[in-house]
Amino acid sequence: GQSLEQPSEVTAVEGAIVQINCTYQTSGFYGLSWYQQHDGGAPTFLSYNALDGLEETGRFSSFLSRSDSYGYLLLQELQMKDSASYFCAVPTTDKLIFGTGTRLQVFP
Amino acid sequence: NAGVMQNPRHLVRRRGQEARLRCSPMKGHSHVYWYRQLPEEGLKFMVYLQKENIIDESGMPKERFSAEFPKEGPSILRIQQVVRGDSAAYFCASSPGVDEKLFFGSGTQLSVL
Repeated sequence: GQSLEQPSEVTAVEGAIVQINCTYQTSGFYGLSWYQQHDGGAPTFLSYNALDGLEETGRFSSFLSRSDSYGYLLLQELQMKDSASYFCAVPTTDKLIFGTGTRLQVFP
Repeated sequence: NAGVMQNPRHLVRRRGQEARLRCSPMKGHSHVYWYRQLPEEGLKFMVYLQKENIIDESGMPKERFSAEFPKEGPSILRIQQVVRGDSAAYFCASSPGVDEKLFFGSGTQLSVL
């Protein structure tokens, strides 16, 4: 089976940097995805790491260490609009399994 | 190119009634997934369909729940004889293939009175 663990909540102030961690246990591993979901909204794709290392996309970066079964999402220069829930997810052979989600609250 | 379309956006049913949730995938996408989300919780996989075929329904309750994706028309998630515990947000997602990137609809919020 698969399980993904994330902190339930993270808080930070505007302009700061925050890291959201994800540890996983899977029977097979293809990569790690991240999704963002605002309250009442649809999840939207942020990033995907198939290989170890850091992937940067603007203010957001995602990191993967396959040997440690660990990844994180790094958000820089935080803005109020970044307040949302963030989910890590792993693809299996036929579906995407989501983590428990981390609620990020950004304060002025 | 329209995104994944779900309707209705909100659905209210009384216990014992039937709920039908519709999902039109993005143009060119033949893979459809349904997820359920309770407040403050993650997305729980329910079922994965391709045109006219159920590929994986391991996350769907054995009774009262069914899903289809006909050759023509939207995918339908059907819940018969709804109970209060069925109240949740139901999200549909689509992809062009078995892909790590899913495109989600805005969801249907089902409330069972």
